[in-house]
Formats: sequence, structure tokens, C-alpha cells
Amino acid sequence: NAGVTQTPKFRVLKTGQSMTLLCAQDMNHEYMYWYRQDPGMGLRLIHYSVGEGTTAKGEVPDGYNVSRLKKQNFLLGLESAAPSQTSVYFCASSYPLEGGRTEAFFGQGTRLTVV
Amino acid sequence: ILNVEQSPQSLHVQEGDSTNFTCSFPSSNFYALHWYRWETAKSPEALFVMTLNGDEKKKGRISATLNTKEGYSYLYIKGSQPEDSATYLCAFTNPGGGADGLTFGKGTHLIIQP
Repeated sequence: NAGVTQTPKFRVLKTGQSMTLLCAQDMNHEYMYWYRQDPGMGLRLIHYSVGEGTTAKGEVPDGYNVSRLKKQNFLLGLESAAPSQTSVYFCASSYPLEGGRTEAFFGQGTRLTVV
Repeated sequence: ILNVEQSPQSLHVQEGDSTNFTCSFPSSNFYALHWYRWETAKSPEALFVMTLNGDEKKKGRISATLNTKEGYSYLYIKGSQPEDSATYLCAFTNPGGGADGLTFGKGTHLIIQP
């Protein structure tokens, strides 16, 4: 089972360059998320989507854009990369459970370095 | 912004010993509390999802309890083994009911020493 797949796994960018991280899930989940993980900071939510064609801002959205044109894909874009965006990025997807619960399934992460 | 606190930040435990650590979270607008296990170079994997005050969950040597009234959860590991070494994350379902994601604590980094 593929689950949640992120591409690429590693990338080095120069300041000012742009790139798109792709997240794909094959579990037919409605909800998808992008988190970033920094030392001592835990996982912080960048953007999320509750369904195809919808996106919303999370805790740390500045400098990122997202799109959810297809239910199975959630793209994270950096228009002009900055060193502060050096991080490990995790995509997750989830489905609603009873009582408003949800369980998230994570991709393997993308390690991005901006020099 | 919700505040989910985990303690301790890191923990060294001798193989065979039992251990526990804490997650504290807002007690109002509670939906669910999650525990994840995160091994280095892998993605976080769900251990437990708990929703009811007094819930206790168990998976092998790992168990968790939940107190929603006072806003804390404990994770217990009995008879620690080297393969238990990982970062253990707790996460709080956001008041929107989960669609808007989880708020994570910073994790407890557990190292089991042979």
C-alpha cells in the first residue's frame, strides 16, 4: 500500500528560487495537510485542505501557497525560497471519524535546504 | 494557537526499565488526543486516538491514559526495549473537529540504553 507519498525526498534551493512539493495519497481521504518540522518546534501546520478545490491557512502559512485540484494530490509551493524555509516538510491525510475525531497518516517527509 | 506541552523533552532509560511521559493540552473544546511514534528517518505513525475522559488504550507494552477534565495524558512503556527508541508525539484535534488538522506537542525523545 502506497499510503501518502511525497516527492521529492530531498532538495537544495538557492534563495529566491521557486519549487513545488507534491503530496499524493491513495486512501481517498478528504483532508490533507502540510506541516513543517524544525528542531525544538515540533510539527507546525502550514496549510490544509478539507476537500478538492478548497484550501485554508494553518499556523505558519506565510511564504507558501497550496493547491488541491485533485482529491488525491496536495501541492505546496514556495514562490521565492528563503533560508528560513529550510526545514523538513511532512504531508498528511486523514478522514473523519465519529465524534469529530480524525487520524492522520503521514508521508516520509521532504528535507529542503535553502542556501 | 493551542498549546500542547510534552515533558520531558528527552529521556534516557535503561533497557528493561519502565517509563512514562506526559502530554498536557487545553481542557476546553476537547475532541480527541492522539499519540504518535516517530522513528528517525521515518514518518510519524499513529499509536492511539483517545476521546473519552478516563480512556485507557494499550498496544503491547505501550499504554496511554486520558484525563480530559484536567487536560493531560500519560504514555507508559513497560519493560523498555531498544526498538522503543523514538520521539513520541502527542497531538490535539483542533476545535474545528479535526478537519483543520492536529496541533502537535514538541515530542519526548526517548533513548533506550542497552
